[in-house]
Amino acid sequence: QQQVKQSPQSLIVQKGGISIINCAYENTAFDYFPWYQQFPGKGPALLIAIRPDVSEKKEGRFTISFNKSAKQFSLHIMDSQPGDSATYFCAASNSGGSNYKLTFGKGTLLTVNP
Amino acid sequence: DSGVTQTPKHLITATGQRVTLRCSPRSGDLSVYWYQQSLDQGLQFLIQYYNGEERAKGNILERFSAQQFPDLHSELNLSSLELGDSALYFCASSVADSTQPQHFGDGTRLSIL
Repeated sequence: QQQVKQSPQSLIVQKGGISIINCAYENTAFDYFPWYQQFPGKGPALLIAIRPDVSEKKEGRFTISFNKSAKQFSLHIMDSQPGDSATYFCAASNSGGSNYKLTFGKGTLLTVNP
Repeated sequence: DSGVTQTPKHLITATGQRVTLRCSPRSGDLSVYWYQQSLDQGLQFLIQYYNGEERAKGNILERFSAQQFPDLHSELNLSSLELGDSALYFCASSVADSTQPQHFGDGTRLSIL
């Protein structure tokens, strides 16, 4: 059972454009939603995270939009740069239980063309 | 640099063998998580330890086991290896039992021949 669905699988954007990656979750107990960025040969690195008490969080060129009623959240990368080319993973966890594992989406391979 | 150290970076071995993967968490982090990353399954949670005690289990096979030592480093033991065990294995750490975020190491790539 895939509890976090991520789309698209791959995305090609021109330099300066906006990259948008979407995720949907099923478990209403999830209350922490991070995005990770992974470069080849490296581990996932935390990019930005949001909790459901806010609908949007912005850090530099990266913004998370969160829609609790639709159980969806998305990552927007403004002014995308070639250095942003990487695989992006959304994830979710439940801090109210005894297991704080992250449940990950399948990932989106972003390519930003110069 | 996340501060999480994993060794070795690469492991090549044969079916039926046993290997040990090592993880040193960030300084001050008490909780360690192990994840498996494969092309078909993506990133899957295996097991969590907090201050030496097992806290949660995910999709971890019975052939796999882990432990966390008093100095807080952790080891993931994989035995009776099968071709399907070929994957990237990541360790992550967080400050306490229930806190986020989790910071990931650069992983160990395990190849079974």
